[in-house]
Amino acid sequence: KAGVTQTPRYLIKTRGQQVTLSCSPISGHRSVSWYQQTPGQGLQFLFEYFSETQRNKGNFPGRFSGRQFSNSRSEMNVSTLELGDSALYLCASSLERLAGAPNEQFFGPGTRLTVL
Amino acid sequence: GENVEQHPSTLSVQEGDSAVIKCTYSDSASNYFPWYKQELGKRPQLIIDIRSNVGEKKDQRIAVTLNKTAKHFSLHITETQPEDSAVYFCAASRGGYQKVTFGIGTKLQVIP
Repeated sequence: KAGVTQTPRYLIKTRGQQVTLSCSPISGHRSVSWYQQTPGQGLQFLFEYFSETQRNKGNFPGRFSGRQFSNSRSEMNVSTLELGDSALYLCASSLERLAGAPNEQFFGPGTRLTVL
Repeated sequence: GENVEQHPSTLSVQEGDSAVIKCTYSDSASNYFPWYKQELGKRPQLIIDIRSNVGEKKDQRIAVTLNKTAKHFSLHITETQPEDSAVYFCAASRGGYQKVTFGIGTKLQVIP
């Protein structure tokens, strides 16, 4: 079974631009979560989607948004980029065997975003 | 919201020794506690997890203990090997949603 994939793997943008990152979960996984990873802050939760609905959102400004499609693929968008948005963005998918029961998350390789 | 504290932030051990990483969580409703290992330049991968109805779980050289009353859980690695060198993250989540809160991470270095 193919793992979680993310595109692109690397991005360089300038302040004020916007960016869209893509995540394809493992086949059959309907939950997709996004995280921002930085050296000083560790892994910070952005949001989680399940069956095209955002179920949870972390403490990030409205410039960060996302969506999920009917095939469970997900995208996240960051508008008006700031220098502090430079980070590794990871997505993770999981299989919800039982409603409400958290399960192992499988991470993608991440997208390294650099904002100049 | 949930808050997960993890310590130490760095840990150096001699090969063959044991390593212990500790985490505390704030939300008493959290019921799932995974541990992830992230090697340099790679994605985090689950190494062990425990649910709140279990106090201890072991998988070969790795074990996790959970104390619900004190709201803390620990990762124990015995007979450490150089390939155990990585960053380890603890996490906590609660039923109903996959909102996982991670600790800050522990960089483990195993010295040959």
